[in-house]
Amino acid sequence: GAVVSQHPSWVICKSGTSVKIECRSLDFQATTMFWYRQFPKQSLMLMATSNEGSKATYEQGVEKDKFLINHASLTLSTLTVTSAHPEDSSFYICSASIQGGYGYTFGSGTRLTVV
Amino acid sequence: DAKTTQPNSMESNEEEPVHLPCNHSTISGTDYIHWYRQLPSQGPEYVIHGLTSNVNNRMASLAIAEDRKSSTLILHRATLRDAAVYYCILKKTSYDKVIFGPGTSLSVIP
Repeated sequence: GAVVSQHPSWVICKSGTSVKIECRSLDFQATTMFWYRQFPKQSLMLMATSNEGSKATYEQGVEKDKFLINHASLTLSTLTVTSAHPEDSSFYICSASIQGGYGYTFGSGTRLTVV
Repeated sequence: DAKTTQPNSMESNEEEPVHLPCNHSTISGTDYIHWYRQLPSQGPEYVIHGLTSNVNNRMASLAIAEDRKSSTLILHRATLRDAAVYYCILKKTSYDKVIFGPGTSLSVIP
């Protein structure tokens, strides 16, 4: 149980276009989801906290107009990278709290390459 | 926020036990100690967590010092599939955001 499905697993897009990444909780309801970005050989960096039905909370230094987060239902949060540039190429990971416990489950990640 | 300190890297021989240390000297009474691991090109996965008492599950054991200022993740028999980055994290509640440090990169030698 407590599976988070993230799609796509990888995507290549042209510079200037937008890319949407989906994160779904398959067998539980996730009122709170988190989005991370990870560059090669580095740790995960928290980008934002996504709450169902309300605006996301962004970490300092993360551009909210560039990284649009929508959490319209208890099972789906999306991250849209707008006007992507090569420096946005990274590994993006979502996570959700596991109901009834104190841990988190993570998606398998999305490898974004902007060319 | 309470922080954790882990060695950057460790090595283990296959089939041998591995003890991954974590220092958290500024831990508060309400902080849970969590461990996650991340295999290459995958999202992190939950390993184990505890508050005060030692914990065991199918993946690992967690030994928590009596003063709670340090803890040790124990893999009883390392396999090649255990090669990953292991993160020790402190959390207060279910909805606390998880901030990752550098973690410990574990290499398993056949």
